[in-house]
Amino acid sequence: RKEVEQDPGPFNVPEGATVAFNCTYSNSASQSFFWYRQDCRKEPKLLMSVYSSGNEDGRFTAQLNRASQYISLLIRDSKLSDSATYLCVVPSGAGSYQLTFGKGTKLSVIP
Amino acid sequence: EAGVAQSPRYKIIEKRQSVAFWCNPISGHATLYWYQQILGQGPKLLIQFQNNGVVDDSQLPKDRFSAERLKGVDSTLKIQPAKLEDSAVYLCASSSSRDPYEQYFGPGTRLTVT
Repeated sequence: RKEVEQDPGPFNVPEGATVAFNCTYSNSASQSFFWYRQDCRKEPKLLMSVYSSGNEDGRFTAQLNRASQYISLLIRDSKLSDSATYLCVVPSGAGSYQLTFGKGTKLSVIP
Repeated sequence: EAGVAQSPRYKIIEKRQSVAFWCNPISGHATLYWYQQILGQGPKLLIQFQNNGVVDDSQLPKDRFSAERLKGVDSTLKIQPAKLEDSAVYLCASSSSRDPYEQYFGPGTRLTVT
């Protein structure tokens, strides 16, 4: 299994739709997980952290299944401004707070 | 609070030439990272500094890449000589000891090697 593997995408969804991204990871010792958002030609920015079974922030919900080594990000009521690439990020296990980034899943929200 | 600064924003060079990138992290952030992001991929860590010391440079191609952070603040990344496959965005990030997993990225330097 690759260190971090994400849905290939792209996802093209209409405004108001609910969309979910999946991510699997190989390091079973990881205790924390992250979703970063990267707009086109911009830098990545932290969207959500997940330290236990899940986390919710407004329209965004991240869920963690440790047994299956699986993380998901759910976006409800999609907005045009949600269009971006979503990067699943896992501690690399090398220590020193290093992160391993997935390839990202591109989301386009269509009017 | 000022963010992570990087320069230049864009650079076009020919293969076998050399290039240098500069990064100034957020004030007070002891940890600094350099990443390479190839189109369609996630950022890949090249080197991590803690203050002015190297924590991990295992993924830095040391035959052509070098990096330094002499005074524990700003940092430079150099490529000499460049190859076509070095075309990528080079991202600098920093983090604080309070929240070490929240990395703040600079805008990146987009390098094209022709």
